[in-house]
Amino acid sequence: DADVTQTPRNRITKTGKRIMLECSQTKGHDRMYWYRQDPGLGLRLIYYSFDVKDINKGEISDGYSVSRQAQAKFSLSLESAIPNQTALYFCATSDGPSIWGYTFGSGTRLTVV
Amino acid sequence: GQQLNQSPQSMFIQEGEDVSMNCTSSSIFNTWLWYKQDPGEGPVLLIALYKAGELTSNGRLTAQFGITRKDSFLNISASIPSDVGIYFCAGQTGNQFYFGTGTSLTVIP
Repeated sequence: DADVTQTPRNRITKTGKRIMLECSQTKGHDRMYWYRQDPGLGLRLIYYSFDVKDINKGEISDGYSVSRQAQAKFSLSLESAIPNQTALYFCATSDGPSIWGYTFGSGTRLTVV
Repeated sequence: GQQLNQSPQSMFIQEGEDVSMNCTSSSIFNTWLWYKQDPGEGPVLLIALYKAGELTSNGRLTAQFGITRKDSFLNISASIPSDVGIYFCAGQTGNQFYFGTGTSLTVIP
């Protein structure tokens, strides 16, 4: 089993719909992150959480919300999806000061039509 | 947010050639990382650099942490078809990593 599991792997949804992307990890890491990847723009941070009671906005949090249900679970929600939220979404985890960087999930490809 | 400029944006090379890519920033970073992303997968860590001037190798890969702490390069020697993918640099400052825009590498057999 993967250390960081994202579900679903692919999703097509309509404009205006609410959608949740889920992430679970078996690394035992405290820190979890949601990134968005767009061609030519690299990875941009949406939200991050350093423990269950901690939620922080990243570079591009507008239109998104998150929930840290447990140490191992971190969900990303799009309250009302719009087409420019079509992207590849990655969940990542890190341990403490993250000297080894992040462990990434395999990604969720979201298409908003 | 922090701006990391990664170049080149894409490369098409013949199998066996050496590859060089770099990442520059206007900010100082404490750690530089290099990741590779295979199609349909998340990025995977290749090399981590922790000190200015540090030169580190991982097989055919060599990376250096620039003396100014504002840049890093990655070299791949004797490329093979499985080197295909997108390579990302990432710099750490404070509690966060910031990612470059990626270099897409295509290796022609």
